[in-house]
Amino acid sequence: GAGVSQSPSNKVTEKGKDVELRCDPISGHTALYWYRQSLGQGLEFLIYFQGNSAPDKSGLPSDRFSAERTGGSVSTLTIQRTQQEDSAVYLCASSLRLAGSLIYEQYFGPGTRLTVT
Amino acid sequence: AQTVTQSQPEMSVQEAETVTLSCTYDTSESDYYLFWYKQPPSRQMILVIRQEAYKQQNATENRFSVNFQKAAKSFSLKISDSQLGDAAMYFCAYRSPNNAGNMLTFGGGTRLMVKP
Repeated sequence: GAGVSQSPSNKVTEKGKDVELRCDPISGHTALYWYRQSLGQGLEFLIYFQGNSAPDKSGLPSDRFSAERTGGSVSTLTIQRTQQEDSAVYLCASSLRLAGSLIYEQYFGPGTRLTVT
Repeated sequence: AQTVTQSQPEMSVQEAETVTLSCTYDTSESDYYLFWYKQPPSRQMILVIRQEAYKQQNATENRFSVNFQKAAKSFSLKISDSQLGDAAMYFCAYRSPNNAGNMLTFGGGTRLMVKP
């Protein structure tokens, strides 16, 4: 079936503008994650959604970052008043929690490359 | 908090030869999960191999195997018979068993180049 998709693939924006990044998880996956990959660095966790539970926002770097997940499926990551340090690749992943399993493999999308000028 | 360190920013290997990528981590937990992910130029992260810390046997997936040294907190990836398609960024990742959200902590990555 279809994998995780993200849009846009690339986004260039001016400093101070707001941006929205979209993630379509694999159908039926209950968990959704956002990670940020800055240049030359590994991935850092941003936010996690599991079913209808309150999201874990512990990784969001500032209150300019927010995310929502509508209907337990599509998610949007919003960055307000973008700064140059926000330039990075934003990766989305989804997973299916298997009964009796302690390991839930995360399937990643291709990411959105955000450039703030 | 756990940290994951990959000390080799870049590695190079001749096609058909073997290469080992290093990863160390810091944790006070006794049970956890470790992963190696591959990120080709398409940017899509692909799971290569995973290891449960309670298992002493090193995980193997075809040409990919790990050397898991729990006491040393080391988790290296060996790629045998390297192929041109193995060229990519490789990330080591850690997951805590107490992590209900299943979030991963990643190392900084190693760029692997494969020479024909």
